[in-house]
Formats: sequence, C-alpha cells, structure tokens
Amino acid sequence: KAGVTQTPRYLIKTRGQQVTLSCSPISGHRSVSWYQQTPGQGLQFLFEYFSETQRNKGNFPGRFSGRQFSNSRSEMNVSTLELGDSALYLCASSPGTSDEQYFGPGTRLTVT
Amino acid sequence: AQSVSQHNHHVILSEAASLELGCNYSYGGTVNLFWYVQYPGQHLQLLLKYFSGDPLVKGIKGFEAEFIKSKFSFNLRKPSVQWSDTAEYFCAVMPTGGGNKLTFGTGTQLKVEL
Repeated sequence: KAGVTQTPRYLIKTRGQQVTLSCSPISGHRSVSWYQQTPGQGLQFLFEYFSETQRNKGNFPGRFSGRQFSNSRSEMNVSTLELGDSALYLCASSPGTSDEQYFGPGTRLTVT
Repeated sequence: AQSVSQHNHHVILSEAASLELGCNYSYGGTVNLFWYVQYPGQHLQLLLKYFSGDPLVKGIKGFEAEFIKSKFSFNLRKPSVQWSDTAEYFCAVMPTGGGNKLTFGTGTQLKVEL
C-alpha cells in the first residue's frame, strides 16, 4: 500500500503571498490531519478533516485553512504568508477515530 | 487541554548502553499514547502505541514503553541502543473519542556514538 504523499516537497514563497499544499492519504483512510513543525515550537496540530468535515482545529490564525475532497485528499492553504510561517508542514492519515496516524514526508515551506 | 512533557532534550549514549526517555502528560480524561521517531532525513514513524490493556507495550526495533497511569507517564526504553537509533523521538497523546488530534512533546534528540 502506498504511503501518505505530499506535494510539493519544497516551496519558496514571498511574504504576503498565499500557498496551497496537497496531501493524498493512504488508500481507505478517511481522516487527514495537518501539523506544523518548527525548531522553536516543535510539532503543532493545525486541523483534522474526516469525511470532508473539519473535526478538530488547533490554535492557528484564520490565515490557515484546509479542506478535504470526496476522495479523502486534502489541501491546506495559508494566505498572507509571514516569515514565521516557514516550517515543515506534515500531513497524517488515519483509518478512523482515535487511531494511529501515518505521516507523510512533509512540505518544506520557506517564506522570504 | 492536554500537554506533553519530555524531560530530556538531548541524550548522548554509547552503543550497547541502555536508554530510557521520559514522557509525562497532562489531561483529565483517557488518552491513547504514542512514541514516534524521526530518523535524519526521514518522515515520522510510529515506534509504538498504547490504547488499553497491558501497560507494557512493545514496538519496533526492540523498543518498549510502560504506561503508568498514576504518574501520567509513558517512558520509552531500550535495553541496548545501536548507532542506527540516532534520531529524534517524540512522545504524543491523543484524547480518546475526540478525533485524531495528537499533542506532541518537544522531542528528544538521541545521538548514539560508536
């Protein structure tokens, strides 16, 4: 079974721009979660989608948003990028609820 | 809200030494507990998990962890580390029944020297 895939793997954007990251979960997994990883703040939960509905949300500003499609693929969008948004963005998929999560390789976003 | 505390940020061991990494969590309800590992240049991988039952759980590559409910702890152990265990280790908790929201500790960077 293929693992979680994320595209693109690397991205460089300028302050003020917006960015969209994509995640394809493991086949059959209905839950997709997003995390931000930085050296200073560690791994922080952004949000979770299950069957196209946002089920959980972390403490991030409204500039961070996401969605999930009927095939469980998910996208994350960050608008009006700030330097502090530079991070590794990880996607994780899970078959159900309160389950172990399988992580993708991440998208490395650099904001200049 | 839940929180996770990992006591050791950097650990350096010689090969064959024993390892114990501490993890404590704070949460008023029941949780599922996890240890994840991130090898250099690789993505996060699950080492082991505890959902219920026997509090001593075994994971991959000879790792084990013990859940002590009274201490809100889930410490990771390995009797004899190898150079290939050099990685960053993350403890994480997930409240049961609340969806798939992991709260991670700050991580422990383990370096194993030959």
